[in-house]
Amino acid sequence: ETGVTQSPTHLIKTRGQQVTLRCSSQSGHNTVSWYQQALGQGPQFIFQYYREEENGRGNFPPRFSGLQFPNYSSELNVNALELDDSALYLCASSFGGSRGNEQFFGPGTRLTVL
Amino acid sequence: RKEVEQDPGPFNVPEGATVAFNCTYSNSASQSFFWYRQDCRKEPKLLMSVYSSGNEDGRFTAQLNRASQYISLLIRDSKLSDSATYLCVVQEGGSYIPTFGRGTSLIVHP
Repeated sequence: ETGVTQSPTHLIKTRGQQVTLRCSSQSGHNTVSWYQQALGQGPQFIFQYYREEENGRGNFPPRFSGLQFPNYSSELNVNALELDDSALYLCASSFGGSRGNEQFFGPGTRLTVL
Repeated sequence: RKEVEQDPGPFNVPEGATVAFNCTYSNSASQSFFWYRQDCRKEPKLLMSVYSSGNEDGRFTAQLNRASQYISLLIRDSKLSDSATYLCVVQEGGSYIPTFGRGTSLIVHP
């Protein structure tokens, strides 16, 4: 069974740039959720994709967008990067939506915005 | 007021000690509760779900108090390997959005 993978592991960008982060879900899972984790904080829910549709979104501006592919892998796109976007970005996969279900997290992408 | 609150600690305890963490939540419609563990610079991993009747897994016991809107995690006979951050997760019934607390740091020393 293949676990959740994310790429890249680290990324450095400058303000105003755009970034795309990638996530491959665990085998058999059809749901991917994205989180932002700032230093010393818990993960903050960005959005979730279930069968290629967004079915839940946290309190993040529209410049955070994403999509899910037919193989259930997913991308997170962030436009017009700001310094406060520097964080660890985690994706988590699960089966059938995350309602009460265990989520399996990937190792994360550490984004630094200069 | 934050939706899910945890004492960030750190809790510094000797091996063999018993330690307990609490987590309070503000949304009375919350239906699903979990404890995740996160090691330094690693991803969170599910430690245990929390059921209404309380549940135990080896040295770990989780309790839910709906009336007072908090969940707890008790660790008995602490091991060095228990050193980590423990994240409380609360989810409203019917919602896809889990809310994480900021985590409680535990340091177990020899």
